[in-house]
Amino acid sequence: GAVVSQHPSWVICKSGTSVKIECRSLDFQATTMFWYRQFPKQSLMLMATSNEGSKATYEQGVEKDKFLINHASLTLSTLTVTSAHPEDSSFYICSARPGGGINEKLFFGSGTQLSVL
Amino acid sequence: RKEVEQDPGPFNVPEGATVAFNCTYSNSASQSFFWYRQDCRKEPKLLMSVYSSGNEDGRFTAQLNRASQYISLLIRDSKLSDSATYLCVVNTPRGGNMLTFGGGTRLMVKP
Repeated sequence: GAVVSQHPSWVICKSGTSVKIECRSLDFQATTMFWYRQFPKQSLMLMATSNEGSKATYEQGVEKDKFLINHASLTLSTLTVTSAHPEDSSFYICSARPGGGINEKLFFGSGTQLSVL
Repeated sequence: RKEVEQDPGPFNVPEGATVAFNCTYSNSASQSFFWYRQDCRKEPKLLMSVYSSGNEDGRFTAQLNRASQYISLLIRDSKLSDSATYLCVVNTPRGGNMLTFGGGTRLMVKP
């Protein structure tokens, strides 16, 4: 089946630094990828939809200047958490669909646990 | 009101028990429904899609009631390995057909 690779799996960084997370579709092209954030014991919350070759669409309440998304190719989307602070500590996960239909299975990366000290 | 609501649990059941989870969604225009399973600090994995007529996959049965905007998941003969969080997922018919996740229901199956 389709594979989505995400790395790093976990990051520990100092407050004020920027962290880049990569999401790759290994065996299919993904014009659209999704970025989620999950706090402990809470649901996955969609942060933004990453569109290849165009600007990402951010959900309400998500700062686009804080969470920079780049989707420069059909197989790679990156999320950069700029000037990270302890409240940004969370589990970040990306997903993609091989096709665009609503019934297409969604494949997830393995997630990135970010801890900001 | 949340778009997709689930009882967070936890549901603590003995091995072999039958357990049912419920989920309600608020957007009547939603067309696709899924149950995902998520283990702690792991990515969600698709358990099964939910079809209007109801569907079964081994020990798992999913039901959809569009009139009540209600989805259910039934697990029979629970195994220890079924312990996980079960996420109700509904497509949101906005641009890109995004999926909206419920908060999840935690299941703990005990020996």
